[in-house]
Amino acid sequence: AQSVTQPDIHITVSEGASLELRCNYSYGATPYLFWYVQSPGQGLQLLLKYFSGDTLVQGIKGFEAEFKRSQSSFNLRKPSVHWSDAAEYFCAVGPPGGKLIFGQGTELSVKP
Amino acid sequence: DVKVTQSSRYLVKRTGEKVFLECVQDMDHENMFWYRQDPGLGLRLIYFSYDVKMKEKGDIPEGYSVSREKKERFSLILESASTNQTSMYLCASTGQEYNEQFFGPGTRLTVL
Repeated sequence: AQSVTQPDIHITVSEGASLELRCNYSYGATPYLFWYVQSPGQGLQLLLKYFSGDTLVQGIKGFEAEFKRSQSSFNLRKPSVHWSDAAEYFCAVGPPGGKLIFGQGTELSVKP
Repeated sequence: DVKVTQSSRYLVKRTGEKVFLECVQDMDHENMFWYRQDPGLGLRLIYFSYDVKMKEKGDIPEGYSVSREKKERFSLILESASTNQTSMYLCASTGQEYNEQFFGPGTRLTVL
């Protein structure tokens, strides 16, 4: 079955610390992978995407993610977290032009 | 700048009422989607549409219907609202060439 798992429901990091949000997927074909961010009361905004090529992708707001096929993972990273990064983060996988399967989300809190 | 708009940010309805949620995109996208978002469950697909007058059921279509009479507009209909349909509803659209989805701001629906 196709699925996306975000093992961490809630993560708290200190401002300035590094961040890694985990995402594992189960998908039969070559995946298109996405990370979205949702600020409170808002819709989802695309952070970055992986379609093919370089497995380390850069996104907006200083985020990056690495696709590891052997581990079926697409973890999101940021070297130094800012208070404004507090939000909910969603990993998603899907075929070209089709439906996306979303993970359950990871809520990020940032301590001053 | 791409834009997906939803008719209401907040909506309060009574049990048994017929509810219409409207979504409009200005990107000439073929594909449109309706999700509901609940804490701990991530985004779950209700219905999607690949073209005008075309629709397909998603993962949780029960209690919902949709309408797509024009390419830019995709409506979600709750025929007889129930309290378990209290949720955040998100609309998204994407083109055929790739499946980066663009999201609206969401409608928070409360059914009393």
